Amino acid sequence: KNEVEQSPQNLTAQEGEFITINCSYSVGISALHWLQQHPGGGIVSLFMLSSGKKKHGRLIATINIQEKHSSLHITASHPRDSAVYICAVMYSGGGADGLTFGKGTHLIIQP
Amino acid sequence: DAGITQSPRYKITETGRQVTLMCHQTWSHSYMFWYRQDLGHGLRLIYYSAAADITDKGEVPDGYVVSRSKTENFPLTLESATRSQTSVYFCASSAGLAGVTQYFGPGTRLTVL
Repeated sequence: KNEVEQSPQNLTAQEGEFITINCSYSVGISALHWLQQHPGGGIVSLFMLSSGKKKHGRLIATINIQEKHSSLHITASHPRDSAVYICAVMYSGGGADGLTFGKGTHLIIQP
Repeated sequence: DAGITQSPRYKITETGRQVTLMCHQTWSHSYMFWYRQDLGHGLRLIYYSAAADITDKGEVPDGYVVSRSKTENFPLTLESATRSQTSVYFCASSAGLAGVTQYFGPGTRLTVL
């Protein structure tokens, strides 16, 4: 089964720091998703991208198709950014099998 | 209310009992999915449905049954619950597959004693 690897697994940082979470995958994909799961458990889609870069507020997601790698950046981090961030990919030709998920990065931003 | 809902939000049951988890979406999305989330694993697909009356297995389907008689509903049934099915279950829906956002329900925390 194709894997999705995330790093780091856990990250604790101080408020205001620049955060980077990495995601790598093994074969060609049609799309990559970044999801956020708050302590209450709900999952929200942050970004979907197949190339380049997307920005939403303080969040930036990039993808390098050749290197099979994506990063999620958070600028000026805030305690409310504390959550689990999940990378998921839809593999090319994967049909209707849904997404393959990474195990998540648990981010804590301390005030 | 518009969106995707799951019920119950919490359920405790005993080994061997039948349990049904409900999922309802108001967007008329064609695709619906059931995932389970366990410590040490990412979300794993149990079953999915491409349309009413069309369902197919995902990565971990054993012990589960689904149906989709109406586009908006996608119930998941554990026919004879086992302790290994203790998990958090998420339903999701999307208008398509590739290049389309999936919208997740709030989850159901199921404990099998």
